[in-house]
Amino acid sequence: GAGVSQSPSNKVTEKGKDVELRCDPISGHTALYWYRQSLGQGLEFLIYFQGNSAPDKSGLPSDRFSAERTGGSVSTLTIQRTQQEDSAVYLCASTLGLPGLAGYEQYFGPGTRLTVT
Amino acid sequence: SQKIEQNSEALNIQEGKTATLTCNYTNYSPAYLQWYRQDPGRGPVFLLLIRENEKEKRKERLKVTFDTTLKQSLFHITASQPADSATYLCALPWGNYQLIWGAGTKLIIKP
Repeated sequence: GAGVSQSPSNKVTEKGKDVELRCDPISGHTALYWYRQSLGQGLEFLIYFQGNSAPDKSGLPSDRFSAERTGGSVSTLTIQRTQQEDSAVYLCASTLGLPGLAGYEQYFGPGTRLTVT
Repeated sequence: SQKIEQNSEALNIQEGKTATLTCNYTNYSPAYLQWYRQDPGRGPVFLLLIRENEKEKRKERLKVTFDTTLKQSLFHITASQPADSATYLCALPWGNYQLIWGAGTKLIIKP
């Protein structure tokens, strides 16, 4: 079946503009994650959605970042008033169940490379 | 706070040799550890999971060990091939639904 898809694959934007990044998870996966990956850094957790539960937004770096997940499927990450430090690869992952003790693997999309000029 | 360390320098290995990558963690006792592979321009891909009560796990040419006393996992690729060149990430569970990630080690297999 189809894997996780993300769009756009690349986005160049001017400082101060808003951007929207999209993620289509694997059908049937209830959990969805957004991460940010900067060069030479580990994956930085941003936000987590599980079914119809309230999302965990604890990883969002500022109030310029927001995300939603419609119908328990597609998710959009929005960055308002982009800054140069927002430049990174934004990765989306979905999983069949919670990592918890079960250790469900995460399935990643190819990422969106965001460059803020 | 918890911390995960992987060798930040690239690891250069001659084709056919065994590559060994290290993942160390502190202030933590994870129930398991996962290893992922990431190719340039792509998202990470899951390779192996090893639980705290398992000393060793194998999958084809891959072998992972987990030493909870040393707080370390070793990831081995035997009979390495140029196609094994990639960045390898380790990840540990945090709470019920998060994973925390190492920065990854870039592996280069030279023909």
